[in-house]
Amino acid sequence: AQRVTQPEKLLSVFKGAPVELKCNYSYSGSPELFWYVQYSRQRLQLLLRHISRESIKGFTADLNKGETSFHLKKPFAQEEDSAMYYCALFFGNEKLTFGTGTRLTIIP
Amino acid sequence: DAGVIQSPRHEVTEMGQEVTLRCKPISGHNSLFWYRQTMMRGLELLIYFNNNVPIDDSGMPEDRFSAKMPNASFSTLKIQPSEPRDSAVYFCASSPTGNTIYFGEGSWLTVV
Repeated sequence: AQRVTQPEKLLSVFKGAPVELKCNYSYSGSPELFWYVQYSRQRLQLLLRHISRESIKGFTADLNKGETSFHLKKPFAQEEDSAMYYCALFFGNEKLTFGTGTRLTIIP
Repeated sequence: DAGVIQSPRHEVTEMGQEVTLRCKPISGHNSLFWYRQTMMRGLELLIYFNNNVPIDDSGMPEDRFSAKMPNASFSTLKIQPSEPRDSAVYFCASSPTGNTIYFGEGSWLTVV
């Protein structure tokens, strides 16, 4: 079955320290993976997708098919990065499945 | 475009009452999704429509929940009767293709 796992519900990081939000997936086909971000009491927004290999707000994510992972990374955390982050897997040409999310808190 | 529009933004209701949440997707988007967000379970897909037709409602928790999409610009999610455990944020989202989803700001429901 297709599944997205985010093992950490909560993650606290000091400002300026590196950030890594973990995401693992299980899917037998070719996955399309995304990271969504939700700032306090706001709508979810697309942060980045693996096919575009882009860096948004300093965040990057590399698809590792061997480890079936799509971890989100940023070298230096900023206070405005505090938010809820969701990893999502698109499959079946129809719907997006989300992980349970990780709440990131940046400590000043 | 104003994005996905949801109403009401906040609702507090008593147990047993009917709740109707509304959604206007982005014009031209073919797919519409209803998600529920809670602290315990995260983001759950309840149901999604493609070209106004319900495709997968396996995430709808029970018969108390129903969703309709009478036309391309409007959808409703109804809970009847509501229970305290239905308290959550309900997000509507739409997509032109299915793999890029645009979310509304959510409807914050509290059932007391």
